[in-house]
Amino acid sequence: EADIYQTPRYLVIGTGKKITLECSQTMGHDKMYWYQQDPGMELHLIHYSYGVNSTEKGDLSSESTVSRIRTEHFPLTLESARPSHTSQYLCASSVAGRNEQFFGPGTRLTVL
Amino acid sequence: QKEVEQNSGPLSVPEGAIASLNCTYSDRGSQSFFWYRQYSGKSPELIMSIYSNGDKEDGRFTAQLNKASQYVSLLIRDSQPSDSATYLCAVEGSAGNKLTFGGGTRVLVKP
Repeated sequence: EADIYQTPRYLVIGTGKKITLECSQTMGHDKMYWYQQDPGMELHLIHYSYGVNSTEKGDLSSESTVSRIRTEHFPLTLESARPSHTSQYLCASSVAGRNEQFFGPGTRLTVL
Repeated sequence: QKEVEQNSGPLSVPEGAIASLNCTYSDRGSQSFFWYRQYSGKSPELIMSIYSNGDKEDGRFTAQLNKASQYVSLLIRDSQPSDSATYLCAVEGSAGNKLTFGGGTRVLVKP
């Protein structure tokens, strides 16, 4: 079944740790996105990618980095987690040429 | 001025009534518009897309677009308690490379 997956779903980690949030999709979509959303607040685009080896920064400045080595995989990395990184991170994907975005279930990150 | 604006609500409607949600946007070149539903603690789910002026109906949902006035709306007919959620308006910018989301309107359907 075509879908978009995120792991882990929940992560509680200490300050200073390096973390990678995984996002994979089996829909064959070229475009992928990472959003950050605090509870009850707006979605903010932090990174996006048009395809393999393409990455762009979004509207919200983020200390995270992304990579796109495979079409189906778009991981997000924080080199040194801080409490200010506590948030929900949502991955989405869309077909090239269209902007109907489909979201994964999200990763809720808590940095102590 | 925000690029995409929505009334945060909550919009309280009795079961069976019509819920009417509005969204205005600032980029005149925008061509694609989307409505997402987000339940508390969950990720957004695409429920409607609209690209041309006028109405588009899908089940109990109707999206309306007026590019001249730069607004898009969503009607939910025969509202059910399961429709209680936050509804996000998303607009594709004129550059066509990403969506900008509004802050969402929280809808409460009371039995």
